[in-house]
Amino acid sequence: AQKVTQAQTEISVVEKEDVTLDCVYETRDTTYYLFWYKQPPSGELVFLIRRNSFDEQNEISGRYSWNFQKSTSSFNFTITASQVVDSAVYFCALNRGNYQLIWGAGTKLIIKP
Amino acid sequence: DSGVTQTPKHLITATGQRVTLRCSPRSGDLSVYWYQQSLDQGLQFLIQYYNGEERAKGNILERFSAQQFPDLHSELNLSSLELGDSALYFCASSVVPGLAAGELFFGEGSRLTVL
Repeated sequence: AQKVTQAQTEISVVEKEDVTLDCVYETRDTTYYLFWYKQPPSGELVFLIRRNSFDEQNEISGRYSWNFQKSTSSFNFTITASQVVDSAVYFCALNRGNYQLIWGAGTKLIIKP
Repeated sequence: DSGVTQTPKHLITATGQRVTLRCSPRSGDLSVYWYQQSLDQGLQFLIQYYNGEERAKGNILERFSAQQFPDLHSELNLSSLELGDSALYFCASSVVPGLAAGELFFGEGSRLTVL
């Protein structure tokens, strides 16, 4: 069975702190894709990153970075020097190349000024 | 702005009623997906269309139906509404049907409240 676990329901940090959001996935497929989406208070889902199972290279995009480790089935997301605008619910999702994403429950990130 | 347009943004209706949610995909995207986000179930895939044809079904209730029209816009019909159908309904689109092809662009969602 496929599953995505985001164990952190809510994280609260003070602005400028670094924060890591955890994502652990389960799949028996050898080919799959992992995603992170952001859902700000306005409600829309904003794509952040897609990573396929053959590419374990970590990625950095500005203050955002992602650490993909197949050995631990994890795809963690780190925000460096957090800002209030980063406050949102963040979702990790898994897809094995078919038509539906399997979503984690989401982590609500609160950045206090 | 993702380029995916959903209407209405908010909808309040009563149990037993029927509603239609509309989605216009990004220009050039042939595939449309519907997702439901509720407090108890989280985000769930409902159904997917590609160029007018149904491609995949997820956890979609029999009371719900969808279609994609020749101009590629899609409608999600929800009937015999129950309180538990209250949720945020998202439409997403992609260029090709397989999610392996790239990211999925989501609309802002239609928030349905059933009283």
